[in-house]
Amino acid sequence: GDSVTQMEGPVTLSEEAFLTINCTYTATGYPSLFWYVQYPGEGLQLLLKATKADDKGSNKGFEATYRKETTSFHLEKGSVQVSDSAVYFCALSSGGYQKVTFGTGTKLQVIP
Amino acid sequence: KAGVTQTPRYLIKTRGQQVTLSCSPISGHRSVSWYQQTPGQGLQFLFEYFSETQRNKGNFPGRFSGRQFSNSRSEMNVSTLELGDSALYLCASSLATDYEQYFGPGTRLTVT
Repeated sequence: GDSVTQMEGPVTLSEEAFLTINCTYTATGYPSLFWYVQYPGEGLQLLLKATKADDKGSNKGFEATYRKETTSFHLEKGSVQVSDSAVYFCALSSGGYQKVTFGTGTKLQVIP
Repeated sequence: KAGVTQTPRYLIKTRGQQVTLSCSPISGHRSVSWYQQTPGQGLQFLFEYFSETQRNKGNFPGRFSGRQFSNSRSEMNVSTLELGDSALYLCASSLATDYEQYFGPGTRLTVT
């Protein structure tokens, strides 16, 4: 079945540091890929998405590129802020009907 | 436009009881999905409803059930509660034309 593997957290960075959160996936066909963010006490928010190979999703300074050859969708940001502290989930959807498979989440803590 | 709303936000139940959670999707959204989030298992897909029909179901026992009404509001029910059912239950809605889902803040269920 479909699965998503993302790096274990927590990740602790200083403000303005470069962020990478690794994500790889296993899926049949050509899934859509997503990054969601969950701030403390809140539900998930879609951060960015990519629907086909080589697509780059971007939002709020975050980027991720759909790499079919390496089945990866790593999240990057050039300069993190304290307000980016949250849990980040990599996810995929294949086969239609909204069934989304999530990774375990990576907690990011940014310190001033 | 109002977001996805879930009621109640917090709930405490005793083992063996049953519980009903409610989700109101964004206006115009016809697809509603439910997820269970626990520290041990992460985010797991429960089921998805579209136009009052269940279209997809995750790997949960029959104690977990749901329904959708003609106004797209959805409820999920858990019968014979177990301690392991303690979790954050998230509802997500979408137009069903693509995979972008909008999540509610969740209902925190504690089973004692």
